Amino acid sequence: GEEVAQTPKHLVRGEGQKAKLYCAPIKGHSYVFWYQQVLKNEFKFLISFQNENVFDETGMPKERFSAKCLPNSPCSLEIQATKLEDSAVYFCASSQFGGGEGYTFGSGTRLTVV
Amino acid sequence: AQSVTQLDSQVPVFEEAPVELRCNYSSSVSVYLFWYVQYPNQGLQLLLKYLSGSTLVESINGFEAEFNKSQTSFHLRKPSVHISDTAEYFCAVTGLFGIQGAQKLVFGQGTRLTINP
Repeated sequence: GEEVAQTPKHLVRGEGQKAKLYCAPIKGHSYVFWYQQVLKNEFKFLISFQNENVFDETGMPKERFSAKCLPNSPCSLEIQATKLEDSAVYFCASSQFGGGEGYTFGSGTRLTVV
Repeated sequence: AQSVTQLDSQVPVFEEAPVELRCNYSSSVSVYLFWYVQYPNQGLQLLLKYLSGSTLVESINGFEAEFNKSQTSFHLRKPSVHISDTAEYFCAVTGLFGIQGAQKLVFGQGTRLTINP
């Protein structure tokens, strides 16, 4: 399809529980990006993929965050042992050529850690 | 590396008045520039972009932005705003020329545009 599909829209987890978010990029787009929006404004880059390969993971808190993009499956972002500070909206974006043409963003997953 | 500064966190204007949202960037390489809009409780929508060519770019809903290389700016303007333009606006940059692979967007802090009747 022509939209980036993110599921679920909302996710509530108790502190210490695992959270898993999914993203289906637009068909034919080879690049996938994850961003974290905290405090309603600030966008923090987490990780990018070129097909199933990690391209840039400089934004990932590696001790608890992991992500995958496997062939014929939605991409996923997993947070082990969530903390209160992980509460945010997580956006996925995809692009066909790496970014210059503009990224298409999903509608986000709002994660609330209680 | 790139960085983006949006000089105004909030801009209140009256309906049908003109508006300018300011954006400055810094980069050691040539860049692509974008404006995204985020309506309440929604994702980001691409408003317009500068890749190359004419420094003045326009969107379908009346916004325009001008790339000024000497001032490293990409300000967003609209001559007459509507209530429906109330949203958060994000300026973003990516360094791309001559670089292969997935280039991440670097966002500004956002500007909340509030239109008053």
